[in-house]
Amino acid sequence: DAGVIQSPRHEVTEMGQEVTLRCKPISGHNSLFWYRQTMMRGLELLIYFNNNVPIDDSGMPEDRFSAKMPNASFSTLKIQPSEPRDSAVYFCASSHSGVAEAFFGQGTRLTVV
Amino acid sequence: GENVEQHPSTLSVQEGDSAVIKCTYSDSASNYFPWYKQELGKRPQLIIDIRSNVGEKKDQRIAVTLNKTAKHFSLHITETQPEDSAVYFCAASIGNYGQNFVFGPGTRLSVLP
Repeated sequence: DAGVIQSPRHEVTEMGQEVTLRCKPISGHNSLFWYRQTMMRGLELLIYFNNNVPIDDSGMPEDRFSAKMPNASFSTLKIQPSEPRDSAVYFCASSHSGVAEAFFGQGTRLTVV
Repeated sequence: GENVEQHPSTLSVQEGDSAVIKCTYSDSASNYFPWYKQELGKRPQLIIDIRSNVGEKKDQRIAVTLNKTAKHFSLHITETQPEDSAVYFCAASIGNYGQNFVFGPGTRLSVLP
């Protein structure tokens, strides 16, 4: 398996534009997480899905952020409109129920100018 | 919700010495405690984990201890090597399968040759 796959690896966008980050979890994993990493706030859990259903989205910073998981092999994190303070590395991770290790993707480095 | 603190924020040791990183958690229901290593520009990767029914676990040069009463757990690295230099994150989870991790702020470990 290629592991958790995220795209794009890097994204530079202008303030106000819509940004969509994509994630393909490891096949067979039924839990998926979106994290945001910044120097100031470290690793923050944004949202967590189990069996494609959002379980906990209390970490989503505001209404500009939304996440979907239409099927077991794909998830998106959307920011609309984007702001410079959204600049960060966004990680997607997946795990299999009963085996707690979370496997991280390579991350998407987002820069909003 | 769960709150995880981690100390120190930075740690420098001489090659061959031991390194100890300590974490505390707030929610007594937490039952799974993984440690992740993140090298510069890379994804976090699991290096060792411990569950609440175990007090200590060891894997070669790495060991983790857990004190449930005091709600703290520690990472011990012996005979440190330059390749151990990275940021280390502890996490605590109260999910049934250990999924919704709350991460500590991280410790930047530098092993000096």
